Amino acid sequence: AQSVTQPDARVTVSEGASLQLRCKYSYSGTPYLFWYVQYPRQGLQLLLKYYSGDPVVQGVNGFEAEFIKSNSSFHLRKASVHWSDSAVYFCAVSEKGANTGKLTFGHGTILRVHP
Amino acid sequence: ETAVFQTPNYHVTQVGNEVSFNCKQTLGHDTMYWYKQDSKKLLKIMFSYNNKQLIVNETVPRRFSPQSSDKAHLNLRIKSVEPEDSAVYLCASSYGGADTLYFGAGTRLSVL
Repeated sequence: AQSVTQPDARVTVSEGASLQLRCKYSYSGTPYLFWYVQYPRQGLQLLLKYYSGDPVVQGVNGFEAEFIKSNSSFHLRKASVHWSDSAVYFCAVSEKGANTGKLTFGHGTILRVHP
Repeated sequence: ETAVFQTPNYHVTQVGNEVSFNCKQTLGHDTMYWYKQDSKKLLKIMFSYNNKQLIVNETVPRRFSPQSSDKAHLNLRIKSVEPEDSAVYLCASSYGGADTLYFGAGTRLSVL
């Protein structure tokens, strides 16, 4: 069975600082990997996704993530955060080619950015 | 702006009552989902429908039943709610289960 671990429940950074949110997955095959963001009282919005190819994927609002197969990781990064990036970030995995829309999510990381 | 719309935003009810949540998507997608987000923010899939047909049905209590009138609508009925049903229910849609899901804002259910 697939699983996702986000080891940091909460992360606090100052505005303008760099950011890394960690994600490790467990999956026997080739996964599809996603990062979603949830702002207060809103649904989840896709930040970026990895299907294949270049292991570094670019997303919206300056976010990027790197797929490291040897480490089973898909960490999210941003060079300089803004206070509006405060939200809950979810890493998710799905089975490649399954076409079921069944995502397995991590527990999320609450990001707080100090102005 | 097209999106995934859920009603109501909030619902408070008592144990044993029946509730129904609505979801409509105007994205032209053919697959819709219900996910449950618990108090610790963990999300788990409950159901998915493709063109009005059930394709994923995770292990959920039988009191939960999805209802689809067409590919743009997927409602969720809970017959006789229990306290553990308190959660946020998120509706989502995609093209053919292709894994990029678009979510609604959710319906927060509180069972007293």
